[in-house]
Formats: sequence, C-alpha cells, structure tokens
Amino acid sequence: AQTVTQSQPEMSVQEAETVTLSCTYDTSESDYYLFWYKQPPSRQMILVIRQEAYKQQNATENRFSVNFQKAAKSFSLKISDSQLGDAAMYFCAYRSIDSGTYKYIFGTGTRLKVLA
Amino acid sequence: DAGITQSPRHKVTETGTPVTLRCHQTENHRYMYWYRQDPGHGLRLIHYSYGVKDTDKGEVSDGYSVSRSKTEDFLLTLESATSSQTSVYFCAISGQVMGLQSSGANVLTFGAGSRLTVL
Repeated sequence: AQTVTQSQPEMSVQEAETVTLSCTYDTSESDYYLFWYKQPPSRQMILVIRQEAYKQQNATENRFSVNFQKAAKSFSLKISDSQLGDAAMYFCAYRSIDSGTYKYIFGTGTRLKVLA
Repeated sequence: DAGITQSPRHKVTETGTPVTLRCHQTENHRYMYWYRQDPGHGLRLIHYSYGVKDTDKGEVSDGYSVSRSKTEDFLLTLESATSSQTSVYFCAISGQVMGLQSSGANVLTFGAGSRLTVL
C-alpha cells in the first residue's frame, strides 16, 4: 500500500523569505499524481499544486514550486516570498494512476507559521 | 466550495446514537469520498464511491457505512456513534464527469467540512 510521510509537524518562516516543506512517499507504481493542499484556519482545503509523475519538469504556480525527485520518492514544496496569508496546514497527497483505484492518500501535514 | 455542499456543518450527539452526514455535488463527478481529519493523523479515507451504488472501503472504515443512490449524493452513516468518531469530516469529489469520455481534472475538490462531536 502507498504511504505519504511529512516529517515536519511544524515550520516557521519570516515574511518575504523562502521555505521548503518536505514530503516523501512510498509506492511500487510508476505512474501517479502528487499534490500539495493548503488548509488555512478557515478549514477549507485548497489545491496548491499538482505534479504528474511522468513529467520530469517540476510544477510551478506563481510563488509555489515543487522539487520532484522520482527516484528518491521525494516531493518537496518551496514557497518563495512568503506572505502572512501562507500561514496554514499543508498536506502532501498521492493518487495512483497504475492501479486505477482513484484513492487519494494524504500525509499528516505540516503547520506553517509566517512571522512578521 | 463550488459545487459541493456538506450538511450538517456542525453536530453534537451522544454516544450510541445514529448520525448521517450528507454530501451533495452539482458537478456530476463520478468519484466521491469521505475523509476524517484528526490532529496528528492528517486526512484519512473512510469510504469512497466510483459510481451510483458502487462504493469501497478506505483505511478507517470500521464503524461507518455509506450509500450512493444517485450521482449527486453520498451519505456517510455512523450506526452507533462513539467518542472516537469525534472529528472533522470532509467530503470530496474528483475526476470524470459522468457520461463523458474525458479523464477529468484528476484533482480532489473538497467540501467545507462537518464537525461532529460525540459526547
């Protein structure tokens, strides 16, 4: 079974600085999707970024980018020019393509604090 | 929360009582999910559905049942609530629009969550 691990329960970053959140996953499959979701205090789950495993190019969305290392099974999220509004829980998630089950597996989350 | 509505948003109940949470979507998506969120555990899949009357278990399905009698509604039932089921429950939808060949966006879109407290 696939697993997703986020080893940093909490991180802090100064406003305008850069922070990287870590995510590793375990799978025997070759084709899958990886995601980062953000959950602000409002509790709403918001998609930040998505990566297809068959694409070597790292996904980017404005100030958010990923470092996808398929061989190492690592999928870190980099937030540049951090803003107060970035403070939230961040969840890494995995979805299989090979198995066709359409299950999304989540990590335990990293709470990001942004310091003014 | 475009296209997904969860009800009730908050509920307090007593141990041993039945509880049903409802998820309603207007997106005509094939896949629907129920997750629970607890501190230190992230989001854990309870059950999911891949079509009308087609459901499967997730990693924490014990004590929960689901039903999907039509595309737009996915119900989560706690037959006899326990204090360990106190949690925030999220419904989500994904992917293929029913009746179309396209693969869909392949992302999860979440409802606003339902906070359940079992006393």
